[in-house]
Amino acid sequence: AQTVTQSQPEMSVQEAETVTLSCTYDTSESNYYLFWYKQPPSRQMILVIRQEAYKQQNATENRFSVNFQKAAKSFSLKISDSQLGDTAMYFCAFLSTSGTYKYIFGTGTRLKVLA
Amino acid sequence: EPEVTQTPSHQVTQMGQEVILRCVPISNHLYFYWYRQILGQKVEFLVSFYNNEISEKSEIFDDQFSVERPDGSNFTLKIRSTKLEDSAMYFCASRPQANYEQYFGPGTRLTVT
Repeated sequence: AQTVTQSQPEMSVQEAETVTLSCTYDTSESNYYLFWYKQPPSRQMILVIRQEAYKQQNATENRFSVNFQKAAKSFSLKISDSQLGDTAMYFCAFLSTSGTYKYIFGTGTRLKVLA
Repeated sequence: EPEVTQTPSHQVTQMGQEVILRCVPISNHLYFYWYRQILGQKVEFLVSFYNNEISEKSEIFDDQFSVERPDGSNFTLKIRSTKLEDSAMYFCASRPQANYEQYFGPGTRLTVT
């Protein structure tokens, strides 16, 4: 069974600085997808960034980028130029391409951006 | 932009009562999901639904839970006899045939007293 591990329960960063959130996963599959979701206090799940495992190039979305290391099964999220609005819970998620395409989430990292 | 909607946003119920959580998926989507998030914990898969039947369910999804697509637009999650431990945020998600990515609704916060 696949598992997703986020080893940093809480992190903080100064406004305008860069922060990296860690995620590791375990799977025997070769093709899958990885996501980072942001959950603000409203508890809405907001997609931040996605990565297809078959793509070697790391995904980027404006200030958000990932470092995808397939062999190491690592998928970290880098937030550049942190803003107060980035304060939220961040979940790493794994999506298998076999079965019913259900998401498996990590336990989350609570990020606080300090003014 | 189309979005998944969920009603109600917050439901308070007494232990032992039945609740129905409602979701309206995006109109051309064919696959539907329910997830649960107990406060302070991770989001967990409950059930997936396709072609009017359950395609997969987790250990959490026991006989107290059921899902239905009653009218071609709504997708409901029913909890027959709620327990205190059912208190959680419940997310509905849907996806189209040709895409793996799921679109989440805003969630329904269920409080069982």
